[in-house]
Amino acid sequence: EVQLVQSGAEVKKSGESLKISCKGSGYSFTDYWIAWVRQMPGKGLEWMGIIYPSDSDTRYSPSFQGQVTISADKSITTTYLQWSSLKASDTAIYYCARKPPFASSGYHLDYWGQGTPVTVSS
Amino acid sequence: QSALTQPPSASGSPGQSVTISCTGTSSDVGGYNYVSWYQQHPGKAPKLIIYGVSKRPSGVPDRFSGSKSGNTASLTVSGLQAEDEADYYCNSYAGSNNWVFGGGTKLTVL
Repeated sequence: EVQLVQSGAEVKKSGESLKISCKGSGYSFTDYWIAWVRQMPGKGLEWMGIIYPSDSDTRYSPSFQGQVTISADKSITTTYLQWSSLKASDTAIYYCARKPPFASSGYHLDYWGQGTPVTVSS
Repeated sequence: QSALTQPPSASGSPGQSVTISCTGTSSDVGGYNYVSWYQQHPGKAPKLIIYGVSKRPSGVPDRFSGSKSGNTASLTVSGLQAEDEADYYCNSYAGSNNWVFGGGTKLTVL
């Protein structure tokens, strides 16, 4: 069974750093890309970026370039989303999701993690 | 790039059909047959219901169908059921390993 299990809820202060995780299991981890998606309170989904864990090739949405860092450790089938200095506006639920290979017309997100709520207080 | 444009809300009675539109540009929706749709119930993670404009993943009822014309994609839900009440988001590939979501549509089953 394909599973993406994300780390738990976080409560932080502005200016602090944070790294949240997404562990994949039940499939060949290095064959699929992992995307990160933001959902601010009461708002829609926003594409943040995507990483290919096999070689850590990472592509960021222009809106998030320089604001976050996406990384992966294929030895433990885990991808990460991190901030060096949080802002109150980073308060949101963050989802990871799996993207099938391009070779199989994989331009969609077929499995999603449960989401990690992040609350940043000023 | 800008978010794709969806109506904020849609509604229909049980058994009826409802169509949700998703308008982009020739750089995203119009340029690729890579539109997907996601259903999100309150407090839950999104779920893939349509990919590649009109393909349904295994397990998704055939009441859900997708189409595209020019820069506008559409999701049609036929035979509305109470459990279809949710938020729906379209997504399109926009080139250069980038994707864009729509703003979302809240579907109410009357």
